[in-house]
Amino acid sequence: DGGITQSPKYLFRKEGQNVTLSCEQNLNHDAMYWYRQDPGQGLRLIYYSQIVNDFQKGDIAEGYSVSREKKESFPLTVTSAQKNPTAFYLCASSKGRGNQPQHFGDGTRLSIL
Amino acid sequence: AQKVTQAQTEISVVEKEDVTLDCVYETRDTTYYLFWYKQPPSGELVFLIRRNSFDEQNEISGRYSWNFQKSTSSFNFTITASQVVDSAVYFCASMNTGFQKLVFGTGTRLLVSP
Repeated sequence: DGGITQSPKYLFRKEGQNVTLSCEQNLNHDAMYWYRQDPGQGLRLIYYSQIVNDFQKGDIAEGYSVSREKKESFPLTVTSAQKNPTAFYLCASSKGRGNQPQHFGDGTRLSIL
Repeated sequence: AQKVTQAQTEISVVEKEDVTLDCVYETRDTTYYLFWYKQPPSGELVFLIRRNSFDEQNEISGRYSWNFQKSTSSFNFTITASQVVDSAVYFCASMNTGFQKLVFGTGTRLLVSP
């Protein structure tokens, strides 16, 4: 079945450590996105990519980095500069321009040790 | 700038009751898109509906219906004869033309008890 796969489901980070969240899609979608969700809040956009080898900062990009070397993959690295990384991270993809709905993965829950 | 407001933080109903989730949006664009997503306890967001700003027809899909009123900038979601499986957090979101940036409301948690 086509879909978006995020891994791992749960992730723990030590102080000063960088961690990478994986996001893979087999929907042949051009655009991919990373969102952060905090308790009782909506989703906030971290980074997005509309095409391979190109990505843009969203509303809360500080302390995060991404790459888009393949159409299917859009990994997110949470760096040590992100001082409050505990949150639920959701990856999404869509067909690209226009009003196409975004489809989401199951999410990764990141916690600090 | 876009903004989406979901004033209802949590709603509790008993099974078979009807429930309406409110959504109010703000945008300066004349062309925009509105969405509803469902987030069950497992965490993933499930797409429910997309509505274009130039189409104010209400829509019904089974027990779900959506009422879009540009005059009040609202896009409300009604579940008829609610079921326990409807328990989830529901998000309303908006998108302008051009780049597909979704702006989410803070969500409404719906609890349906047997």
